[in-house]
Amino acid sequence: GEDVEQSLFLSVREGDSSVINCTYTDSSSTYLYWYKQEPGAGLQLLTYIFSNMDMKQDQRLTVLLNKKDKHLSLRIADTQTGDSAIYFCAEGDTGKLIFGQGTTLQVKP
Amino acid sequence: EAGVAQSPRYKIIEKRQSVAFWCNPISGHATLYWYQQILGQGPKLLIQFQNNGVVDDSQLPKDRFSAERLKGVDSTLKIQPAKLEDSAVYLCASTGQPNTEAFFGQGTRLTVV
Repeated sequence: GEDVEQSLFLSVREGDSSVINCTYTDSSSTYLYWYKQEPGAGLQLLTYIFSNMDMKQDQRLTVLLNKKDKHLSLRIADTQTGDSAIYFCAEGDTGKLIFGQGTTLQVKP
Repeated sequence: EAGVAQSPRYKIIEKRQSVAFWCNPISGHATLYWYQQILGQGPKLLIQFQNNGVVDDSQLPKDRFSAERLKGVDSTLKIQPAKLEDSAVYLCASTGQPNTEAFFGQGTRLTVV
């Protein structure tokens, strides 16, 4: 079946760049998404990329998609302590999504 | 614009008891989703509604879980009887037009003891 895999933990220093990686199996997904979840909060859509794109940049966020390897990454430039959260990669269409298990990003001052 | 509202925020019940969760989607959103998020995992889709009809309930454990959206607006998700492994956060999401962003509620955290 469809599956989405992520590394579980990433620690960076404030001001550094963070790169969170994800692999997926379903090549028919229309979109690939990055969501952010802070403690006690719901999921917040950070950004998404259409499956026929290779890259998308949105302020401090850069999404790279390698369709051949089914690999998705999220780069956060100039990482701040407020970026500390769990980041979920997801594939699917609109609200019908398959999520990875989440990557906990720890930002040290 | 008001977001997706869920209640209660927290619920603690004993195993074999029943529990119900409520979701009010964003006004005008035709599609509603229920997700289960077990601690340390990503959310897993349980059921998808389009207006008051079920589109996909293939991942819903129908022996104990049920959901309805009778008037195509609010939805309830019920568990009867609950098991220890049902302890999770239950998230509701809604979308408007196709290919638009899904908005998630804050979730209901269920603890079964």
